[in-house]
Amino acid sequence: QITLKESGPTLVKPTQTLTLTCTFSGFSLSTSGVGVGWIRQPPGKALEWLAFIYWNDDKRYSPSLKSRLTITKDTSKNQVVLAMANMDPVDTATYYCAHNMNPPFGWFDPWGQGTLVTVAS
Amino acid sequence: SYVLTQQPSVSVAPGQTARITCGGNNIGSKSVHWYQQKPGQAPVLVVYDDSDRPSGIPERFSGSNSGNTATLTISRVEAGDEADYFCQVWDSSGGHFYVFGAGTKVTVL
Repeated sequence: QITLKESGPTLVKPTQTLTLTCTFSGFSLSTSGVGVGWIRQPPGKALEWLAFIYWNDDKRYSPSLKSRLTITKDTSKNQVVLAMANMDPVDTATYYCAHNMNPPFGWFDPWGQGTLVTVAS
Repeated sequence: SYVLTQQPSVSVAPGQTARITCGGNNIGSKSVHWYQQKPGQAPVLVVYDDSDRPSGIPERFSGSNSGNTATLTISRVEAGDEADYFCQVWDSSGGHFYVFGAGTKVTVL
């Protein structure tokens, strides 16, 4: 059974860097054909894809946020970390990580429970 | 960038059929995935690769994809199907992007 769980601060100040950790079980990110993505959802709004990391450490980012995002993995800890620089109140959202079985074409399944991050001074 | 268009809302009586559409330029050439999201919960995959269902998803959920429109169909709608539904594709034009539709709120009357 694959599970993922996001962790990190619930409140960050404008201009700070947000660091979120996705801790997973039930699969290995060293296995060929596997990836983990980050997706966010502002309150009451749509899902927005942020970043993706492949088993071979290939990394992809949303064009609109690429300059602010860094995604890394620690295979030994079964973790994927997302850093987002220069946070702004518009970045207030629930942040999800999700497993992808057949990247890049594949679907996200399952998802973590999500973590709500509020950006405010 | 690639855009997916969904109708904001669909209302359906219990026992009837709900059809949720996802429009995109030549979307029929892409694999479309659908997610169900209930209030306060994470999205759950209900259809992948246009028309396949993950284990545990009722047969009432089905999908199709052709031309410029993909469709998620919920047959014999139940009260528990009330949720937001999002479509998603992977787009390679100009890069590598995962794209989500804006979502459709399904209300069971």
